[in-house]
Amino acid sequence: TQLLEQSPQFLSIQEGENLTVYCNSSSVFSSLQWYRQEPGEGPVLLVTVVTGGEVKKLKRLTFQFGDARKDSSLHITAAQTGDTGLYLCAGVYYNQGGKLIFGQGTELSVKP
Amino acid sequence: NAGVTQTPKFRILKIGQSMTLQCTQDMNHNYMYWYRQDPGMGLKLIYYSVGAGITDKGEVPNGYNVSRSTTEDFPLRLELAAPSQTSVYFCASSRPGTGPEKLFFGSGTQLSVL
Repeated sequence: TQLLEQSPQFLSIQEGENLTVYCNSSSVFSSLQWYRQEPGEGPVLLVTVVTGGEVKKLKRLTFQFGDARKDSSLHITAAQTGDTGLYLCAGVYYNQGGKLIFGQGTELSVKP
Repeated sequence: NAGVTQTPKFRILKIGQSMTLQCTQDMNHNYMYWYRQDPGMGLKLIYYSVGAGITDKGEVPNGYNVSRSTTEDFPLRLELAAPSQTSVYFCASSRPGTGPEKLFFGSGTQLSVL
């Protein structure tokens, strides 16, 4: 079973600060997704990255897929209180029949 | 737009009781999934279905059963509830295509087994 690890598990910052969340695996992904989950709700897809080295931007969020397709990062610039939530990465491995494997999540708290 | 609807929102069970978690989607998606989410553990796949009449086990299927008689509905059955099944359960659906799947999640069922 491939292990997909996210770090840090918890992050508490002040509004206006920058932050980066990491998602790492020892195996190669065919694609990787980032989800955001608010309390009492299900995860919502933010982005999908497919190509090694790919960078995607979603307003203040920047997503990067590692060249070797084993890792990804999510960078938030000038965090806002509305960014508070659980961020989950989920990867599709070549030998897992296309099913998503989720990381354990990063709990982000942005304080005013 | 309803999307994926789960009921109930909350439930408390006694050990040994049984219950069915309901999930329905109105997007005509072929694929449906059940996940459980425990603190610090992310989401673990319980069962999934690629179409009506077809189901398969995920990572953590023990203690659960599913059926898929229609495209819209994918209920999850707990026959003999155990404390280890205390968790938040999410149903999701997707439409297979040529690219990576996009999962649409329901808002979850919080289950406590006491």
